[in-house]
This record gives sequence, structure tokens and C-alpha cells, in this order.
Amino acid sequence: DGGITQSPKYLFRKEGQNVTLSCEQNLNHDAMYWYRQDPGQGLRLIYYSQIVNDFQKGDIAEGYSVSREKKESFPLTVTSAQKNPTAFYLCASSMGYGKITGNEQFFGPGTRLTVL
Amino acid sequence: GENVEQHPSTLSVQEGDSAVIKCTYSDSASNYFPWYKQELGKGPQLIIDIRSNVGEKKDQRIAVTLNKTAKHFSLHITETQPEDSAVYFCAASKGNNRLAFGKGNQVVVIP
Repeated sequence: DGGITQSPKYLFRKEGQNVTLSCEQNLNHDAMYWYRQDPGQGLRLIYYSQIVNDFQKGDIAEGYSVSREKKESFPLTVTSAQKNPTAFYLCASSMGYGKITGNEQFFGPGTRLTVL
Repeated sequence: GENVEQHPSTLSVQEGDSAVIKCTYSDSASNYFPWYKQELGKGPQLIIDIRSNVGEKKDQRIAVTLNKTAKHFSLHITETQPEDSAVYFCAASKGNNRLAFGKGNQVVVIP
């Protein structure tokens, strides 16, 4: 059963703690993305990766970090430097730049992070 | 960068009627325009998309139209059903795999 999985669905952390959100895909997609969604807002790009061992900052990268050691996995760490981390985090993947259908992004179910 | 705006922010329709959501974009180099449906507490689901070399695309009750001159594209849902109630997001891309999203439209289908 192919798709994108994110875990956990709900996450609670105390202020000042780092937390890592998981994203795995078995679609054999080259590109992966992390978005942040706040109530009544669109999706804002945090980081993206076009290929293994490479990633670029999106529009709101401050306070976040990522790694892309494997094609299937793109974990996001929300650090204590992120001033307002409570949000709904969405991971997505696509075939990748230059591919015929490379633009189409498919999303995981999301992780709701609440910082207390 | 690309700026995508959606109107109206909330749309209520009677079951069976049609719903139309319009998006405008700012960058004339954008060439890919997807629409996503998001149900409460879930990730967005791609429902239809269009590329700049066509003006209209249809998939059963859903259609998307693109006007490159005016830089806007619209989602049309016919014969609306209660399960169409959701938040709909439009997006635009220049083909570099980066999508710029609108803020979303809440569609409410009244039974």
C-alpha cells in the first residue's frame, strides 16, 4: 500500500524542548517537502529536498532543521529557537524536478504539534 | 515571489447546486495549477490540476478553467453533495516543484 506516513498524529512538548517529526514515503519519489499550516492560513514551505543528501530552505525555515539521508525519509526537527511552534505540520512528496509529472505533490496525514 | 489569492473565503451552497472558487496569481511564468481538498484534521488531497498549455480540464463533477491572460483559474464543482464540504486550496508553480498556496476556501454544502 503506497503512500506517505507521518508520525505521530498528535505530539505534545514542553517549551524549550526540541522535537522531531517523522515523514516516510514508499512512492519512490525524489522530492520531499515540509509545510506548516496555521488556522485559516494556507500552507507555508519550511524546507524541501530535491534529492538525497540535499535540501533547501523554504519561506519559513528559521527554528527548524531537516536531514535527507535516505530517499524514503525526511524528518523535521522543531528546535527551541522556533518562537511559535504550535501548528499542523504536513509532509509531501513528488516525483521531482524535471520529471513529466514532477509538480504533483502528495501529502501525508499531518502531525499536530502542541507546545505547552 | 508568487502570490496566490483565493475568493471567496467561505462559500455556502445548497446540495445539488454548483460551487465556483476563483484564484488569482501574480507570476506570469507559473505554468502548473493544482487544487487540493482538505477535510478536517487530514492532509490535503490533490483533486485536479491544470497546466498552462490547456484552458480547461474536467473530471466527473469537478472542472478547472485557466485564463492565462487574466492570471486566474477557477474550480467548478457541479451537483454538490454533503461530502464536498471541505476546505479547498489552490496553488501555482513555475515548474520548479515549489508550490505557492492560497489561504483556502471553506465550502459548506447545505443538505
